[in-house]
Amino acid sequence: NAGVMQNPRHLVRRRGQEARLRCSPMKGHSHVYWYRQLPEEGLKFMVYLQKENIIDESGMPKERFSAEFPKEGPSILRIQQVVRGDSAAYFCASSPLYKTGNTEAFFGQGTRLTVV
Amino acid sequence: DQQVKQNSPSLSVQEGRISILNCDYTNSMFDYFLWYKKYPAEGPTFLISISSIKDKNEDGRFTVFLNKSAKHLSLHIVPSQPGDSAVYFCAASGGSQGNLIFGKGTKLSVKP
Repeated sequence: NAGVMQNPRHLVRRRGQEARLRCSPMKGHSHVYWYRQLPEEGLKFMVYLQKENIIDESGMPKERFSAEFPKEGPSILRIQQVVRGDSAAYFCASSPLYKTGNTEAFFGQGTRLTVV
Repeated sequence: DQQVKQNSPSLSVQEGRISILNCDYTNSMFDYFLWYKKYPAEGPTFLISISSIKDKNEDGRFTVFLNKSAKHLSLHIVPSQPGDSAVYFCAASGGSQGNLIFGKGTKLSVKP
C-alpha cells in the first residue's frame, strides 16, 4: 500500500517557465492538501481539494498558481511563469475525511522546486 | 497572523533526558491537534494527536498535553534518543478550518 506519492522529487525551472507538481494520494483517500515550505519557515497551507472540486484555496497566491484534482489521475499543482521566490519545498497530503479532525493527514516526500 | 505558534526554533537535549516541545494557538475553534516529525528532505510524518475533549494522550515515549484554557499544548519525549533529532511541527484543525494549520517548527537535537 503505497503512501502519498509526489513527483518529481526535484524540479529545476528557469524564470518564466511553468512548473507542474504531481501528487497521488493514498489509496482510498479522496482529499488532497498542498502545502509550501519556504526556507526557515513552517508549512503554509495553499489549497484543499476533493475529486473535481476545490474546497478551500485561501492559501493560494492569486496569480500564476492553480491546482486541480481530476476524477482520474493525480492532483496537479501548476505554477506559471515561475519566479525565484517560488523556490520552495511543496508538500502534498491526503486524508480520507472532509476535515482532518480525528484523523491525521499523510504527507508525501515533497517536491523541491528550484527556480534559476 | 499566526494561529499556531512554536516560539522555540530549536531545542537541545541530552540523550535519556526529557524533551518538551511547546505550541500555542489563538483560534478557540480548533478542536484537534497533531504533532508531526520531519527529517531533512522528507515529508512530515504523523507522530501523535489529541482531541480537544482530552487533556492528555500517550503513545510510548511520546505524550501530548493540552491546556485549553491557556490555548497551549506540549509534546513530551521521554527518554529522548538521538534518532528523535528532527524538526517537530505542531498543527491544529477545526472550526471553519478544513485543513491543518502548522506552526513554524522546533528543531530538536538530542546529543549522545
